[in-house]
Amino acid sequence: GAGVSQSPSNKVTEKGKDVELRCDPISGHTALYWYRQRLGQGLEFLIYFQGNSAPDKSGLPSDRFSAERTGESVSTLTIQRTQQEDSAVYLCASSFVPGLAGSNEQFFGPGTRLTVL
Amino acid sequence: GENVEQHPSTLSVQEGDSAVIKCTYSDSASNYFPWYKQELGKRPQLIIDIRSNVGEKKDQRIAVTLNKTAKHFSLHITETQPEDSAVYFCAASRGGTGGFKTIFGAGTRLFVKA
Repeated sequence: GAGVSQSPSNKVTEKGKDVELRCDPISGHTALYWYRQRLGQGLEFLIYFQGNSAPDKSGLPSDRFSAERTGESVSTLTIQRTQQEDSAVYLCASSFVPGLAGSNEQFFGPGTRLTVL
Repeated sequence: GENVEQHPSTLSVQEGDSAVIKCTYSDSASNYFPWYKQELGKRPQLIIDIRSNVGEKKDQRIAVTLNKTAKHFSLHITETQPEDSAVYFCAASRGGTGGFKTIFGAGTRLFVKA
């Protein structure tokens, strides 16, 4: 079946503009994650959705960042008034939550490379 | 807040030698510890994971050990091959009612010299 997909694959924007990034998770995966990866750096947790529970937004770096997810489907990450330091690859991942005994493997999308000029 | 520290940041080994990467975590409620491999320009992929009720897990040339008391876990790769060259990330998360928020280490860039 299809893996996690993200769009656009690349986005170049001017400082101050808003951008919207999209993630389509694997069907049936109840958990969805957003990460930011700056060039040569690690994966920075942004936000986590699990089913109908309130999302864990503790990783969002500022109030310019927000994300939504409708049910267990598509998620969008919105960055308002973009700044140059927002330039990074934004990765989305989804997983099946099997309970306490199984693997919680996260399946990553190809990422959206955001460049803020 | 939660934190995962990973060492070394860069590791260079000769083909056939072993490689060891170490991580420590701060959240004592963490109970799931995956390792991901990211090749250049590609997305991260899970290579092995371990739960807190297990001290060691092995899969062919890869093994992970966990010391829950000391809050550290390690990845061991034996008989390294050039195709093992990549960035490796450790991570820690808690399951159950706490959800599966996952904190990643900063990564280790492994070079295997032929």
